[in-house]
Amino acid sequence: NAGVMQNPRHLVRRRGQEARLRCSPMKGHSHVYWYRQLPEEGLKFMVYLQKENIIDESGMPKERFSAEFPKEGPSILRIQQVVRGDSAAYFCASSPRTGEYQETQYFGPGTRLLVL
Amino acid sequence: ELKVEQNPLFLSMQEGKNYTIYCNYSTTSDRLYWYRQDPGKSLESLFVLLSNGAVKQEGRLMASLDTKARLSTLHITAAVHDLSATYFCAVARQGGSEKLVFGKGMKLTVNP
Repeated sequence: NAGVMQNPRHLVRRRGQEARLRCSPMKGHSHVYWYRQLPEEGLKFMVYLQKENIIDESGMPKERFSAEFPKEGPSILRIQQVVRGDSAAYFCASSPRTGEYQETQYFGPGTRLLVL
Repeated sequence: ELKVEQNPLFLSMQEGKNYTIYCNYSTTSDRLYWYRQDPGKSLESLFVLLSNGAVKQEGRLMASLDTKARLSTLHITAAVHDLSATYFCAVARQGGSEKLVFGKGMKLTVNP
């Protein structure tokens, strides 16, 4: 069973460009979460999605950031008009959500975004 | 707002020694997670603690949860160099969404 997959693993963008980060959850997982990690810090929640639905986007910046998880295909985190402060590692996690309790969130390898 | 604090944030210890690290959280929680992260790598799930008094052990690591004190501990027994990594605890708010709130992480270095 393949783990959570993210691509690209490394992404370099110039200020003002767009960044698209992709996440394919583990097989059988229907819940996807995006987190951002700044250097030497813990992970900060950004958004929680199920197929075709955004469940909680309380951690998403109000502008330039968007996320989707379509019926078919990977989840996409999109950052428009990137700025240097967007440089970070972006992790995707997935879980199966069975019963009443959430299962462990399994993390992908991350995408390291560098904005020049 | 749910806050998670870990201490210490940095720990350097000798191989063979024991040590306990702490994770405090500010509001009632359903569950607490411990993750390990190696430099430049993703997070590896170590433990999920779901109830008061829960204790789980894997190798040289043992985690426990006291929901009344809002405290989890991660105990390291007879440390080895391979345990060097950053250890995060994360908490999900009871009755809230599924998002995890992470501590800042504890960077552990085990010296030979």
